[in-house]
Amino acid sequence: AQSVAQPEDQVNVAEGNPLTVKCTYSVSGNPYLFWYVQYPNRGLQFLLKYITGDNLVKGSYGFEAEFNKSQTSFHLKKPSALVSDSALYFCAVRDTGKLIFGQGTTLQVKP
Amino acid sequence: DTAVSQTPKYLVTQMGNDKSIKCEQNLGHDTMYWYKQDSKKFLKIMFSYNNKELIINETVPNRFSPKSPDKAHLNLHINSLELGDSAVYFCASSPGQVLTFGSGTRLTVV
Repeated sequence: AQSVAQPEDQVNVAEGNPLTVKCTYSVSGNPYLFWYVQYPNRGLQFLLKYITGDNLVKGSYGFEAEFNKSQTSFHLKKPSALVSDSALYFCAVRDTGKLIFGQGTTLQVKP
Repeated sequence: DTAVSQTPKYLVTQMGNDKSIKCEQNLGHDTMYWYKQDSKKFLKIMFSYNNKELIINETVPNRFSPKSPDKAHLNLHINSLELGDSAVYFCASSPGQVLTFGSGTRLTVV
C-alpha cells in the first residue's frame, strides 16, 4: 500500500529564513505526490503536485518541493518564510482513486 | 461562489441521535469524497463517489451512509451517533488528481 510519512510534528523558523517541511514516501510504481496546507478552522488547500517531469515543482504562495527518487522524499521548501505561512501542512500520495495523507506538520513562523 | 460547500459548519448532538451533513460542489467534478479528521488532525478517507456511484468505502461502520442524489451532491448520514464520531468531516471533489476541499463540519457528540 502507498504511504507517506512526515517525521516532524512541528517545525519552527524565523521570518525571512528558509523553511523545509519533510516528507518521505513508500509506493509501488511511480508516485503521485501532493502538498496541502490547512489554516485554522479551514479546509485543506492544494499547494503543489508531482506527477512526472522536473524534480523541482513550484506551487502556490512561493512554495516548491523537490522530488528525490533515491531518497524517496518530497520535501516542501520556501526560500523566505512569512508569519502568514504558519499552518498545518500535509503531504499526500495518490493510491487507487484516493489521497493518503501523512500525519501533518505544524509550521510556526516567528516574527 | 464557494466551490465545495458543506452544511452545517458546526453540529453538536447527543449520543444515539441521527444526523446528516450535506455537501455540494459547483466545479463540475465527477468525483466526490468524505474524509474524517480526528482530534490529532489525522485525515482518513471514508467514502468516494464517481458520478453518483460508490467507488471507495474504507471499512467505515455501517452507521455511516453516504448518499449522492446527483454528481454535484454527496451527503453523509450518521445513525446512532457515538462519542468516537466526534471529529471534523471534510467533503472534497476532484476532476482527477487534485482534490478541492470544503471548509469542514465539526461534529461534537455529547
